[in-house]
Amino acid sequence: SQTIHQWPATLVQPVGSPLSLECTVEGTSNPNLYWYRQAAGRGLQLLFYSVGIGQISSEVPQNLSASRPQDRQFILSSKKLLLSDSGFYLCAWSKILASEQYFGPGTRLTVT
Amino acid sequence: ILNVEQSPQSLHVQEGDSTNFTCSFPSSNFYALHWYRWETAKSPEALFVMTLNGDEKKKGRISATLNTKEGYSYLYIKGSQPEDSATYLCAFRTGNTPLVFGKGTRLSVIA
Repeated sequence: SQTIHQWPATLVQPVGSPLSLECTVEGTSNPNLYWYRQAAGRGLQLLFYSVGIGQISSEVPQNLSASRPQDRQFILSSKKLLLSDSGFYLCAWSKILASEQYFGPGTRLTVT
Repeated sequence: ILNVEQSPQSLHVQEGDSTNFTCSFPSSNFYALHWYRWETAKSPEALFVMTLNGDEKKKGRISATLNTKEGYSYLYIKGSQPEDSATYLCAFRTGNTPLVFGKGTRLSVIA
């Protein structure tokens, strides 16, 4: 069966510090991978998605970036965090781009 | 820009009550409509994927209907229980594009 891991579960970072969130998927190959953010009082916003190694599509311009160095690894990064980057970050995968998505446990990020 | 609207934003019901809420989406270029349940401190879990106009799906006490011509889907919960408390998300897609999520309906079932 497939499982998806995210870490860390919670993170408190000062403004201006870098960020690296990692997501890995087990039990499947060539998954489509996604990063979402839910800011306080807001809906689920798609940040990035990837259909393959090194292929990243950005949905919203921001100071975040994503990378996919391996087939089942998806990384969300920032060089300098802003207060507005606080939120709940979810990684997800799907078999094809438009199919049902399976979500990871999420990372609660607080930028202070 | 695709826009998916969910209403109401939040809902409080008594245990045993039946309830329903709405997801509205663009009626053109429809491909599929997904419903997810998102419980506090957990990840969103898929409930239904609906593709055909007039589709009706059911899982236990939860069911959903789909009207692609007018661009809406209803989610129904019969005899709500405290464990049904969660945020219910709908997501829409056209062709081979990522899902676009609504903001969700937060349901609280009071024992």
